[in-house]
Amino acid sequence: AQSVTQLGSHVSVSEGALVLLRCNYSSSVPPYLFWYVQYPNQGLQLLLKYTSAATLVKGINGFEAEFKKSETSFHLTKPSAHMSDAAEYFCAVRTGANSKLTFGKGITLSVRP
Amino acid sequence: NAGVMQNPRHLVRRRGQEARLRCSPMKGHSHVYWYRQLPEEGLKFMVYLQKENIIDESGMPKERFSAEFPKEGPSILRIQQVVRGDSAAYFCASSPRSQGPPEQYFGPGTRLTVT
Repeated sequence: AQSVTQLGSHVSVSEGALVLLRCNYSSSVPPYLFWYVQYPNQGLQLLLKYTSAATLVKGINGFEAEFKKSETSFHLTKPSAHMSDAAEYFCAVRTGANSKLTFGKGITLSVRP
Repeated sequence: NAGVMQNPRHLVRRRGQEARLRCSPMKGHSHVYWYRQLPEEGLKFMVYLQKENIIDESGMPKERFSAEFPKEGPSILRIQQVVRGDSAAYFCASSPRSQGPPEQYFGPGTRLTVT
């Protein structure tokens, strides 16, 4: 079975500050890992993915994430927050090429001026 | 290349009515997934379909819910005799047939409100 834990439901940062959103996973086989972003009343947009190539993955909008097998983590970071980053962020795990995504509960990111 | 299309975007039903949600995958994608997002919760997997086949329905409620993906036309998620607890956002995702990148592409969702 696979699962994802995103601790906390809300993170608030100042504009220009570091963004760190945590994700820990559980999987019995090597996983595929994803971060998605959801803006209000919209669908999910893929930010980045880990597919067993490089452990440091760069995505869109300046986000990146590092896969750490020893810590079963895939934390999302961005060096400098922008107001437009305010949204809900979901971490997800998938095992196998064609199977379901298991999502964490999501974290709402607020950016203060 | 158009993205995943879902309609309607908003659907209001009274208790006991039927709800039909439609999903057209991205061009060239033959795998469709349905997820449900309840308030204050993440997305929960419901069902995975390929053309004319249900591959995994482990997340579907045992009663009132059904899904299909016919040879022609969109995938349909059908909820019979809706109840207030069915109010949620329902998202469809698709992925290509090949063994390439495993990510799923999401539609904008259908927001179902049961009154």
